[in-house]
Amino acid sequence: GENVEQHPSTLSVQEGDSAVIKCTYSDSASNYFPWYKQELGKRPQLIIDIRSNVGEKKDQRIAVTLNKTAKHFSLHITETQPEDSAVYFCAASIEGKLIFGQGTELSVKP
Amino acid sequence: EAGVTQFPSHSVIEKGQTVTLRCDPISGHDNLYWYRRVMGKEIKFLLHFVKESKQDESGMPNNRFLAERTGGTYSTLKVQPAELEDSGVYFCASSRRLRGRQETQYFGPGTRLLVL
Repeated sequence: GENVEQHPSTLSVQEGDSAVIKCTYSDSASNYFPWYKQELGKRPQLIIDIRSNVGEKKDQRIAVTLNKTAKHFSLHITETQPEDSAVYFCAASIEGKLIFGQGTELSVKP
Repeated sequence: EAGVTQFPSHSVIEKGQTVTLRCDPISGHDNLYWYRRVMGKEIKFLLHFVKESKQDESGMPNNRFLAERTGGTYSTLKVQPAELEDSGVYFCASSRRLRGRQETQYFGPGTRLLVL
C-alpha cells in the first residue's frame, strides 16, 4: 500500500527565515497531495494542496513543489512568523483516502 | 457554513467498556472519513463512506471497531470492547463528491479517547 515519509520530524527556525519540509511517497498512482497545519489542540487545517498534473503552486508565503518522477513533494514557508509554529502533515491520496506523513513540528522563534 | 463537528470532545473509559463517537459532516458532503492519531504518531486512515455505503474500510484495525452512517448523514464509530491501544485522537473529515477529482477534506476537532 501507499507509504509517506516526512522529514524532518522537528524544525526550529528564527522568525523571518525560511522553512522546508520534505515528503516522499511510494505509490506512483497517487494524484493529490495536500498539506495540513495542526495547531495545539485544534483540528488539522488545509493550507495548500497540489495535484499530479502541476509541478508547483504558491499561495502568499507558502509554496509546494511536486516531482512525480522522484515521487517527492515539499512545502516551503518563507518569512516565517511565530504564528506559523504548529505541526505540519503532508499526505498523498489515491481515490479519496489520505495517507499521512509522520508530521513535522515547526517552531518559529521570535 | 458550519464545519465538521464531533462528539464527545474527550472520553475517558476503562478497558473493556464501550465508547461511541459521533461525527456530523458538513451539510451536503457525501464523503465521510474516519482517521486516528495514536501517541503523537501519524494520522492513520480508518475508513471512508460515500453517503451511507462503506467505500473503503481497509484501515479498520479489527472487529472491535464498527462504523455506521445510516441515512448518509452523521456517522458513528463504536469501539467494543475498548483496549488500551485504542487510546488516541479520532478525527472525522468530510468532502464533496465530484467525479474524477479529489476534493478538499475538512477535518473535525477530534475526539480524544483515553482507555485506562
